[in-house]
Amino acid sequence: AQSVAQPEDQVNVAEGNPLTVKCTYSVSGNPYLFWYVQYPNRGLQFLLKYITGDNLVKGSYGFEAEFNKSQTSFHLKKPSALVSDSALYFCAVRVNTNAGKSTFGDGTTLTVKP
Amino acid sequence: KAGVTQTPRYLIKTRGQQVTLSCSPISGHRSVSWYQQTPGQGLQFLFEYFSETQRNKGNFPGRFSGRQFSNSRSEMNVSTLELGDSALYLCASSGGIHTGELFFGEGSRLTVL
Repeated sequence: AQSVAQPEDQVNVAEGNPLTVKCTYSVSGNPYLFWYVQYPNRGLQFLLKYITGDNLVKGSYGFEAEFNKSQTSFHLKKPSALVSDSALYFCAVRVNTNAGKSTFGDGTTLTVKP
Repeated sequence: KAGVTQTPRYLIKTRGQQVTLSCSPISGHRSVSWYQQTPGQGLQFLFEYFSETQRNKGNFPGRFSGRQFSNSRSEMNVSTLELGDSALYLCASSGGIHTGELFFGEGSRLTVL
């Protein structure tokens, strides 16, 4: 079985400050980890992924995430938040890159205030 | 390159009716997955199709079914609708040069009255 936990329902940051959205996972085998963002009344958009290699991965819109195997975490980060980053963020895990289901966390609402 | 297209975007049905939702994946993607999104349950995996075969299935009752055509387009059907089926139904495709990430459509928002 695979599972994802996003411990914070809501994260609030001021524009220009760094942001972190937390994610921990549980999976049997090697994890493939993803972050997606969802704007109101829209589908999810892929931000970044960890498959293998460097633990620090960079993605769209200046976001990055660090894979930590010992802590089974994959936190999403951005050095300087923008108001336009305000959205719902989902962490997801799967055990096969090309088959099977992705399991999503419950989502974290990020609000960036001017 | 066209993205994932879902139709219809919005629909209203009454209890007991059935509904069919359609999804056209990104060209070259052979895997199509369906998810149900609700405020209370989050994103729940329904099923995945690959080359016209259901490859994986989530924990939903048999009222939820799907299929995939030879051109990779997919449909899902929900029969005997219940109030609790009201949700945003998201289709996602994957494959080709992309390793694992899902590309989602805008979703079909179903309201059951």
